[in-house]
Amino acid sequence: EAQVTQNPRYLITVTGKKLTVTCSQNMNHEYMSWYRQDPGLGLRQIYYSMNVEVTDKGDVPEGYKVSRKEKRNFPLILESPSPNQTSLYFCASSTQGRDTEAFFGQGTRLTVV
Amino acid sequence: AQSVSQHNHHVILSEAASLELGCNYSYGGTVNLFWYVQYPGQHLQLLLKYFSGDPLVKGIKGFEAEFIKSKFSFNLRKPSVQWSDTAEYFCAVRNNAGNMLTFGGGTRLMVKP
Repeated sequence: EAQVTQNPRYLITVTGKKLTVTCSQNMNHEYMSWYRQDPGLGLRQIYYSMNVEVTDKGDVPEGYKVSRKEKRNFPLILESPSPNQTSLYFCASSTQGRDTEAFFGQGTRLTVV
Repeated sequence: AQSVSQHNHHVILSEAASLELGCNYSYGGTVNLFWYVQYPGQHLQLLLKYFSGDPLVKGIKGFEAEFIKSKFSFNLRKPSVQWSDTAEYFCAVRNNAGNMLTFGGGTRLMVKP
């Protein structure tokens, strides 16, 4: 089954404690990206990757890091989480191209206290 | 920079009522437009997309959208909503390079049985 898998689904952590949210896709997609979803703001892109070892900032990259060492994985790293990073996070993947559908993971609800 | 505006944040309808959700975009290049739906507790799923050709696009579950270039709009419509259409709806625009998918703030639809 084609899917994008995120882990964990729910996470509560404390300010400053490094964490990683994993994302894996099994569709051999070149393009992967991370979004955060906040009420009234829709989804905002954090980082994206056009292929292995190619990453770039989205609209709200501050406080986040990513890496793309393998095609299927695109982890999101919060080196020192802060309460304003409490949000719902989605990973997405797609093939290259402007008209392609993005496939989304189930989401990770992160709370930073 | 591209942007998307969804003017209706919350919409409440009774079953069998007609639906129209507004979406206006701002982008200088060739537009590639999408509507995604997010059912409660789930990830985003594609409803329909437009990238060229007939400006009236039909999607899944009886939804359709009309691209009006002169108005920079891509409104979503459904003639008769059902209770199961209760969800949040997101309009999105992708740039020509395919690396930026920008979402509107979302419209939360509640359909009363």
